[in-house]
Amino acid sequence: DAGVIQSPRHEVTEMGQEVTLRCKPISGHDYLFWYRQTMMRGLELLIYFNNNVPIDDSGMPEDRFSAKMPNASFSTLKIQPSEPRDSAVYFCASSLKSLGGVETQYFGPGTRLLVL
Amino acid sequence: RKEVEQDPGPFNVPEGATVAFNCTYSNSASQSFFWYRQDCRKEPKLLMSVYSSGNEDGRFTAQLNRASQYISLLIRDSKLSDSATYLCVVNIGNQGGKLIFGQGTELSVKP
Repeated sequence: DAGVIQSPRHEVTEMGQEVTLRCKPISGHDYLFWYRQTMMRGLELLIYFNNNVPIDDSGMPEDRFSAKMPNASFSTLKIQPSEPRDSAVYFCASSLKSLGGVETQYFGPGTRLLVL
Repeated sequence: RKEVEQDPGPFNVPEGATVAFNCTYSNSASQSFFWYRQDCRKEPKLLMSVYSSGNEDGRFTAQLNRASQYISLLIRDSKLSDSATYLCVVNIGNQGGKLIFGQGTELSVKP
């Protein structure tokens, strides 16, 4: 399996521009997570989906952030308008919930976003 | 208070040393516990799960103390390749697959 795929790997944009990050989870996984990582705040969960349905978006910073999962193999995280404080590494992860508990989350390589 | 707190680090140790990381969690409803490893500029990867009875995987030993809400990771005979950030991770049972990550502890193993 190719693992979790994210694109783009790097993004440099100017303040005010729209940014769209993309994720393809591992085939068959029914959970998808979006995280943001910065030096100051560490790894923060933004939102997660189960079977394409958003379950918890309490970590989404504000209305400028939105996420969608139109099907089991694709999700997007959009920032509009972007601000310099959004600069971070954004990770997508997927997992498969087992009857016995929580399965391993597999992370994609991340998107390094720099907003100037 | 953060839900998952770890030693701030960084830990700088010589090859062959034994090093221990500690972690505390605040939610008593936490049900599953993990250590993840993150190499510089890479994604986090599962190192090992942590079970109530304690578990060992080669040079790595993880312990859980539910009463004290405390998790530990012991690395014996440390190698240069162990240099990374170690993340303490907790799953709270009533929140599905959601994981809470600690800030991480950086380990640097020197020759």
